[in-house]
Amino acid sequence: GAGVSQSPSNKVTEKGKDVELRCDPISGHTALYWYRQSLGQGLEFLIYFQGNSAPDKSGLPSDRFSAERTGGSVSTLTIQRTQQEDSAVYLCASSSQVGLEAFFGQGTRLTVV
Amino acid sequence: EDQVTQSPEALRLQEGESSSLNCSYTVSGLRGLFWYRQDPGKGPEFLFTLYSAGEEKEKERLKATLTKKESFLHITAPKPEDSATYLCAVQVNNNAGNMLTFGGGTRLMVKP
Repeated sequence: GAGVSQSPSNKVTEKGKDVELRCDPISGHTALYWYRQSLGQGLEFLIYFQGNSAPDKSGLPSDRFSAERTGGSVSTLTIQRTQQEDSAVYLCASSSQVGLEAFFGQGTRLTVV
Repeated sequence: EDQVTQSPEALRLQEGESSSLNCSYTVSGLRGLFWYRQDPGKGPEFLFTLYSAGEEKEKERLKATLTKKESFLHITAPKPEDSATYLCAVQVNNNAGNMLTFGGGTRLMVKP
């Protein structure tokens, strides 16, 4: 079956512009995670959605970052007024339930110039 | 605060030279420990989940084990195609959140 799909795979944007990154989780998966991976760094947690519960936004680095999950499926991560330090690979993962393995997409490589 | 530390940061092996990667964790209540493999330019690929001390899982040349403080990923007779970054992550059993907390990874290079 289809895995986690992220788009675009690459995005180059100018400093100050807004960007939207999309994640299509595995069908039926109720849990969805966003992570950020900077060059040579580990995975940094951003936000977590579980079913219809309020999302865990504790990892968002600033109020320029926001995320939505519509209909319990597709999620969009929005970064407003992008800065050069936002350049990273943004990874999305989904899981069928808490405590089970999460499956990752291939990521979106964001470059802010 | 939950912490996950992986060692070594990098490991060079000759093909066929077995070794182990370490993942030490300090958490308030472990729900699960996960091992992933990540190739350059790709997302992490799931390998194993371990839930309780004493548990072991195997897949081809890899075996993961778990104690109350750490997990090991044993690689037996590695091949060049095992070269990748290996990540471990923990999920804790509390109301603070359900995110996976990742270690910094071990970059494994296997020379033919």
